[in-house]
Amino acid sequence: GAGVSQSPRYKVAKRGQDVALRCDPISGHVSLFWYQQALGQGPEFLTYFQNEAQLDKSGLPSDRFFAERPEGSVSTLKIQRTQQEDSAVYLCASSLEAAGGRYEQYFGPGTRLTVT
Amino acid sequence: AQKVTQAQTEISVVEKEDVTLDCVYETRDTTYYLFWYKQPPSGELVFLIRRNSFDEQNEISGRYSWNFQKSTSSFNFTITASQVVDSAVYFCALSGVNYGGATNKLIFGTGTLLAVQP
Repeated sequence: GAGVSQSPRYKVAKRGQDVALRCDPISGHVSLFWYQQALGQGPEFLTYFQNEAQLDKSGLPSDRFFAERPEGSVSTLKIQRTQQEDSAVYLCASSLEAAGGRYEQYFGPGTRLTVT
Repeated sequence: AQKVTQAQTEISVVEKEDVTLDCVYETRDTTYYLFWYKQPPSGELVFLIRRNSFDEQNEISGRYSWNFQKSTSSFNFTITASQVVDSAVYFCALSGVNYGGATNKLIFGTGTLLAVQP
């Protein structure tokens, strides 16, 4: 079946612009995660949804970052007034079930954001 | 606090050599999961294995094997008879076991870049 998809794959934004990154998780997956991966680093957690509820946003670096999943499927990560330090690959992952971490997270291809 | 350390930044081997990627973790949880993911140049993270902290049995899958030792907090990954297609960045990751809606986020190491030369 279809995996996790993300769009756009590449985004170039001028400093100060707002951007919106989309994630389509695997159908039926309850959990959805956003991670940020800087160049040469491992992914770092940003936020977590269980269905439409955002249960953890402890990793969002500033109030310029906002995520939503209004119908419990597609999610959007929005970054307002982008800064150069926001340049990174943004990864979305989904998991079948919420409880206990028993299921692996399946990752999308990521969106590479470059802020100039 | 949870932490994953992959001390090897880059490893270069010649095809058919065996190679071991090291992973050391820190956690106060008594129950947790450990993972390995592969990130080829295309960028997508590919799941390789999940190991429950109660299960210390080593696992083999084809040319891949994993050695989990709680006594040393290590979860090492060995590729036997490496191939050029194994070239990628490999990440070790740690997750708690949380119920009731709490986050099962992955804590990643910084990754090891494996280059397999023909």
